[in-house]
Amino acid sequence: AQSVAQPEDQVNVAEGNPLTVKCTYSVSGNPYLFWYVQYPNRGLQFLLKYITGDNLVKGSYGFEAEFNKSQTSFHLKKPSALVSDSALYFCAVRDIPSGAGSYQLTFGKGTKLSVIP
Amino acid sequence: GAVVSQHPSRVICKSGTSVKIECRSLDFQATTMFWYRQFPKKSLMLMATSNEGSKATYEQGVEKDKFLINHASLTLSTLTVTSAHPEDSSFYICSARLPRDISYEQYFGPGTRLTVT
Repeated sequence: AQSVAQPEDQVNVAEGNPLTVKCTYSVSGNPYLFWYVQYPNRGLQFLLKYITGDNLVKGSYGFEAEFNKSQTSFHLKKPSALVSDSALYFCAVRDIPSGAGSYQLTFGKGTKLSVIP
Repeated sequence: GAVVSQHPSRVICKSGTSVKIECRSLDFQATTMFWYRQFPKKSLMLMATSNEGSKATYEQGVEKDKFLINHASLTLSTLTVTSAHPEDSSFYICSARLPRDISYEQYFGPGTRLTVT
């Protein structure tokens, strides 16, 4: 079965500093990887995805993620954090359905990012 | 494009009553929608996959008689929490997938906060 691990419950970073939110995955076959962000009492917003191609994926709001096959990682990064980046971040991998089921996303537990002014 | 709405955004109901939550894809047709439940500071738990014109596929441990899902049209799926109890209080989020999107990216609604008193 596919799985995603976000090893950090919380990441604190000072405004203006680079940020990294970690994600590792376990899949059989080629991974389809996603990052979503959730603000309080809101649904999830798509940031970026890796399907194939360049290992460095650029997404919304200045975020990027690097796919590393050897380390089975897909860490989310941003060169300069903003206070408004403070939110809950989820890494997800496309699951492979059993039988005739539909493709689903398996989510990590989430990492709370706090950017300190 | 690919906007998903949910209604209501918040609902308070008394124990024993039923509550219906609507999920709509506003600018696309969604043959597949998903219903998630999110507990405080927790990841998303997939409850069921809703397929237009057929029965929903429920995840293990989710009571299909309690959480009724109907996907009667290509733009609307509904989740009805029947005979609600305080333990059903949670944040419910739906998502939808674009047909023929090979990345299987999901577009999320803003969520519905259910409080059962």
